[in-house]
Amino acid sequence: KNQVEQSPQSLIILEGKNCTLQCNYTVSPFSNLRWYKQDTGRGPVSLTIMTFSENTKSNGRYTATLDADTKQSSLHITASQLSDSASYICVVCTTSGTYKYIFGTGTRLKVLA
Amino acid sequence: DVKVTQSSRYLVKRTGEKVFLECVQDMDHENMFWYRQDPGLGLRLIYFSYDVKMKEKGDIPEGYSVSREKKERFSLILESASTNQTSMYLCASRKRGSTEAFFGQGTRLTVV
Repeated sequence: KNQVEQSPQSLIILEGKNCTLQCNYTVSPFSNLRWYKQDTGRGPVSLTIMTFSENTKSNGRYTATLDADTKQSSLHITASQLSDSASYICVVCTTSGTYKYIFGTGTRLKVLA
Repeated sequence: DVKVTQSSRYLVKRTGEKVFLECVQDMDHENMFWYRQDPGLGLRLIYFSYDVKMKEKGDIPEGYSVSREKKERFSLILESASTNQTSMYLCASRKRGSTEAFFGQGTRLTVV
């Protein structure tokens, strides 16, 4: 069964600190993996996309990694800001017939001043 | 920038009412989707549409129907709203051949 699991479920950090969010997946066939940021009461917005051959991709203070062998991805946030408070959703795209998304349940991050 | 607009941010409806959730995208995308998002469950696909007048059931279509009469508009219909349909509803669109979905801001529906 295609599944995406994220950890931790929630996380509280102080402003300026770094943090790492985890995503493990069992999805086949694999097309790509995206991290989305979802502010409270808003729709998700794409942060990064990673294909099978990519190990690391950065978007400002966000750095995503992908290990296709172990089927794990991480999202590292550097020097956190209050505006980073949001849910972060890992989404794996599979190509069985058509592109289909498998969503993780998200990590809720709270950054405190 | 792609813009996906959902007609309402918040809705409160009574049990048994027929409810329409509207979604419009301005980038000529062929594919459109309706998801619901519940705590601890993530996003679940209700229906999607490949193109005008085309629709496919997703993972949880029961109690819902959809309409795609124009390319830019995808409507979700709750035929007879029930309290277990209280949720956040998210619309998304995607260009054919691309894997990136663009989401609307969501509609939080409460059925009382």
